[in-house]
Amino acid sequence: EVQLVESGGGLIQPGRSLRLSCAASGFTFGDHAMGWVRQAPGKGLEWVCFIRSKGYGGTTEYAPSVKGRFTISRDDSKSIAYLQMNSLKTEDTAVYYCTRGGGYSDYWGQGTLVTVSS
Amino acid sequence: DIVMTQSPDSLAVSLGERATINCKSSHSVLYNSNRKNYLAWYQQKPGQPPKLVIYWASTRESGVPDRFSGSGSGTDFTLTISSLQAEDVAVYYCQQYYDSPWTFGQGTKVEIK
Repeated sequence: EVQLVESGGGLIQPGRSLRLSCAASGFTFGDHAMGWVRQAPGKGLEWVCFIRSKGYGGTTEYAPSVKGRFTISRDDSKSIAYLQMNSLKTEDTAVYYCTRGGGYSDYWGQGTLVTVSS
Repeated sequence: DIVMTQSPDSLAVSLGERATINCKSSHSVLYNSNRKNYLAWYQQKPGQPPKLVIYWASTRESGVPDRFSGSGSGTDFTLTISSLQAEDVAVYYCQQYYDSPWTFGQGTKVEIK
């Protein structure tokens, strides 16, 4: 059974940094692109970023709203994807979902809440 | 960026009746070389993460009931629930993955009339 479990969310002040983790199981992690999608409270879905598998170069794509501030990475030996979030803004407040897939997302984690507030 | 616009924002349908959700993209998401539309649909029930329903505009995800179907090409797409069941109450989103940044529609809330 495919499982994606996010961790690392919490309350953080504007301008600070936070790192989210996504622990994957139930599939060959290294064969798949991984991504992050967020959802602000009461709002719709916003794609954040994804990272391709090493077989496709391990390259990354970012939404304009986070480019230059967020960095996605992966550790295939541990089956974990990371989202390093720097220079956080209040508008980054959202539930962050880890997803499998570089185009459509066929599996989603339960999400971790990030609240950026002073 | 490709803008995805869904209509309506919400709809109420009687049990057993048809529900139709539209999604329009500001740019074609049809890739000519493989003739595939890079368009997916997701269902999100309250308090849950989204769930993939349809990809490549019309391919039903494994385990999704066959009352769900996707159609359309280029810039205009439709998600149809042929006979609405109580468990289909949710918000539905379309998403394009033709060009980065991937973008979602604003969502359509489906309720029981």
